[in-house]
Amino acid sequence: GAGVSQTPSNKVTEKGKYVELRCDPISGHTALYWYRQRLGQGLEFLIYFQGNSAPDKSGLPSDRFSAERTGESVSTLTIQRTQQEDSAVYLCASSLDHPTAQYFGPGTRLTVL
Amino acid sequence: GEDVEQSLFLSVREGDSSVINCTYTDSSSTYLYWYKQEPGAGLQLLTYIFSNMDMKQDQRLTVLLNKKDKHLSLRIADTQTGDSAIYFCAENPGGYNKLIFGAGTRLAVHP
Repeated sequence: GAGVSQTPSNKVTEKGKYVELRCDPISGHTALYWYRQRLGQGLEFLIYFQGNSAPDKSGLPSDRFSAERTGESVSTLTIQRTQQEDSAVYLCASSLDHPTAQYFGPGTRLTVL
Repeated sequence: GEDVEQSLFLSVREGDSSVINCTYTDSSSTYLYWYKQEPGAGLQLLTYIFSNMDMKQDQRLTVLLNKKDKHLSLRIADTQTGDSAIYFCAENPGGYNKLIFGAGTRLAVHP
């Protein structure tokens, strides 16, 4: 079946602009995660959705970042007033309600000029 | 605090064994994971080990866990050029689904 998909694959924007990144999880996966990977670094947890529970937003770096998820489907990560330090690959993952396997999408490479 | 550390680079000869090491900090993690990232590709779950296990073997992969020292290792037997990638160690602090990743170990396999 289809894996996790993310759009766009690449996004170049100017400092101060708004961006919206989309993630389509694997059908039936109740959990969805967003991570950020800066160049040459490991993944940094941003936010986690599990069913209808309140999301775990503990990794969001500032109030310029927010994310939503509609039910158990699509999620969008939005960044307002983008800064150069926001440049990174943003990865989405989904899983069943079990921590053994998170399946990652290909990521969105965000470049803020 | 939450921190996962790995060496950044490992070079091995084709056919030799590779051992990638990782240390983690949260003893409440219920699972420890190894992910592989190839150039231009997404992260692929390689294997994972439950925290009450010492060892797990899966074909050419052997995971060793020393819970006392909070040390995890991944051994790849008969390393091939296709194994060249970045390998990430990860833990799930508190047993929750959020993963904390190390910075990754770049494995280079040369003839």
